[in-house]
Amino acid sequence: AQTVTQSQPEMSVQEAETVTLSCTYDTSENNYYLFWYKQPPSRQMILVIRQEAYKQQNATENRFSVNFQKAAKSFSLKISDSQLGDTAMYFCAFMGGGSQGNLIFGKGTKLSVKP
Amino acid sequence: NAGVTQTPEFQVLKTGQSMTLQCAQDMNHEYMSWYRQDPGMGLRLIHYSVGAGITDQGEVPNGYNVSRSTTEDFPLRLLSAAPSQTSVYFCASSRATGSNQPQHFGDGTRLSIL
Repeated sequence: AQTVTQSQPEMSVQEAETVTLSCTYDTSENNYYLFWYKQPPSRQMILVIRQEAYKQQNATENRFSVNFQKAAKSFSLKISDSQLGDTAMYFCAFMGGGSQGNLIFGKGTKLSVKP
Repeated sequence: NAGVTQTPEFQVLKTGQSMTLQCAQDMNHEYMSWYRQDPGMGLRLIHYSVGAGITDQGEVPNGYNVSRSTTEDFPLRLLSAAPSQTSVYFCASSRATGSNQPQHFGDGTRLSIL
């Protein structure tokens, strides 16, 4: 069975600085997708970034980028120029190629951005 | 365009009561699913559906029933609520089955069982 591990329950960063959130996963599949979701205090689940396993190039979305290391099964999220609005829970999620859309989530990392 | 709508937003039940959490989407999505979120546990899949009339179990299905009579609606039923079902419940949908479709989440239902 696939598993997703986020080893940092809580992190903090100063505004305007850069922070990296870690995520590792375990799977025997070769074709899969990885995601980072943001959950602010409003409780909404917001897709931050997505990576297809068959793509070697790391995904980027404005201030958010990933470091995808397929052989190491690692998928970290880097947030540059952190803003107060980035304060949230961040969940790493895995979707297998044949899963029909089902997501497997990590336990989350609570990120606090301090002024 | 409302996206994924969940009702109610909050609910308090007594042990043994039954209730239905509603989920509706207006995007003509084939895939719909229910997750529960517990402190320190992340989100876990309860049930999912790949189209009207088709449902299947996820990781934590016990105590919950679902049905999918229309493309738009995917209700989650608790037949006899237990304190262990106190959680935040999220419904999600995507345009088609398969891994390359982004999931759209509802705003969640916070459920407390006394």
